[in-house]
Amino acid sequence: GAGVSQSPSNKVTEKGKDVELRCDPISGHTALYWYRQSLGQGLEFLIYFQGNSAPDKSGLPSDRFSAERTGGSVSTLTIQRTQQEDSAVYLCASSPWGGTYEQYFGPGTRLTVT
Amino acid sequence: ILNVEQSPQSLHVQEGDSTNFTCSFPSSNFYALHWYRWETAKSPEALFVMTLNGDEKKKGRISATLNTKEGYSYLYIKGSQPEDSATYLCAFMGYGGSQGNLIFGKGTKLSVKP
Repeated sequence: GAGVSQSPSNKVTEKGKDVELRCDPISGHTALYWYRQSLGQGLEFLIYFQGNSAPDKSGLPSDRFSAERTGGSVSTLTIQRTQQEDSAVYLCASSPWGGTYEQYFGPGTRLTVT
Repeated sequence: ILNVEQSPQSLHVQEGDSTNFTCSFPSSNFYALHWYRWETAKSPEALFVMTLNGDEKKKGRISATLNTKEGYSYLYIKGSQPEDSATYLCAFMGYGGSQGNLIFGKGTKLSVKP
């Protein structure tokens, strides 16, 4: 079956511009996660959606970052007024539920802020 | 701040060698430990999700053990093959936090020479 998809695969933007990154999870998976990996760093948790519950936004690094998940499926991560330190690979993952279920990752979006 | 440490950072072995690496995590409030393999230009792929102290899991030539009381997990690869070359990530989830909030280590990068 189809895995997690993300778009775009690469995005180059100028400092100060807004960007939107999209994630399409595996059908039927109620949990959706966003992570990022900056150069030389580990995967950093950003935000977690579980069903219709309020998302866990505790990992968002600043109020320039926001995410939404429409209809319990597709999710969009928005970064406003991008900064150079936002350059990273942004990964989305989904799982049937949270916690002890393994996560299925998408191919990622490489964001470069110039 | 919760810390997940992986060692070594990188490892070079010959085809046929067996190898192992370590993931250290907080020993309190343990809920689950995940292992993922991340090959270059691909998405991270789940290997194991471990929840019980003393747990041992196996998938082909790869196995993992878990000690929640002392806060470590070992990943073993028997008879390494070039296709095992990847970065191996572990991730800790604790009680009391969101079930989406996985804390990842920086990974162990394994290179297997034919």
